Amino acid sequence: DAGVIQSPRHEVTEMGQEVTLRCKPISGHNSLFWYRQTMMRGLELLIYFNNNVPIDDSGMPEDRFSAKMPNASFSTLKIQPSEPRDSAVYFCASSLVSFQYFGPGTRLTVT
Amino acid sequence: RKEVEQDPGPFNVPEGATVAFNCTYSNSASQSFFWYRQDCRKEPKLLMSVYSSGNEDGRFTAQLNRASQYISLLIRDSKLSDSATYLCVVLNTGGFKTIFGAGTRLFVKA
Repeated sequence: DAGVIQSPRHEVTEMGQEVTLRCKPISGHNSLFWYRQTMMRGLELLIYFNNNVPIDDSGMPEDRFSAKMPNASFSTLKIQPSEPRDSAVYFCASSLVSFQYFGPGTRLTVT
Repeated sequence: RKEVEQDPGPFNVPEGATVAFNCTYSNSASQSFFWYRQDCRKEPKLLMSVYSSGNEDGRFTAQLNRASQYISLLIRDSKLSDSATYLCVVLNTGGFKTIFGAGTRLFVKA
């Protein structure tokens, strides 16, 4: 079992650029979550999907952030335009019943 | 008030010590509870679920007190490899929204 797959693992970009983070959930899982983690704010839930439908995006910080889940095996989190304060580790997680399995994360640095 | 609050830590303990972490949650309708472990620069991983009757997995014991809205994790005979951040996690009604505590860092020293 490959687990949750995220790409890229590291991303360094300049302020103002568009950033796209990708996630492949565990096959058969019906819920997908995007989190952001920083030292200051800890682990924050940005958005979650159930059966490919966004259920709650109240954690998305602002309109610069958007997420899609076009099918059960793929999701993207896009930041446009990126800002230095977006620098963080972004985790994707998936679940079937209750507890979640996390991907290895994407470490984003915006200079 | 945060929905899930944990001991601030860090906890610095010698090998072989027993250490306990506490966590409180504010939503009385919360339905499922977990402890996750996160190593430095790694993703959180499920350590154990927490049941009302209490549950044990080797050196780890988790307890839930619904009346007091309180969760605990006890680690006996601490090992160097137990050094990590321990996250208290609450799943609210509806089964989707998961709330993570800020985490408690544990350092086990030789």
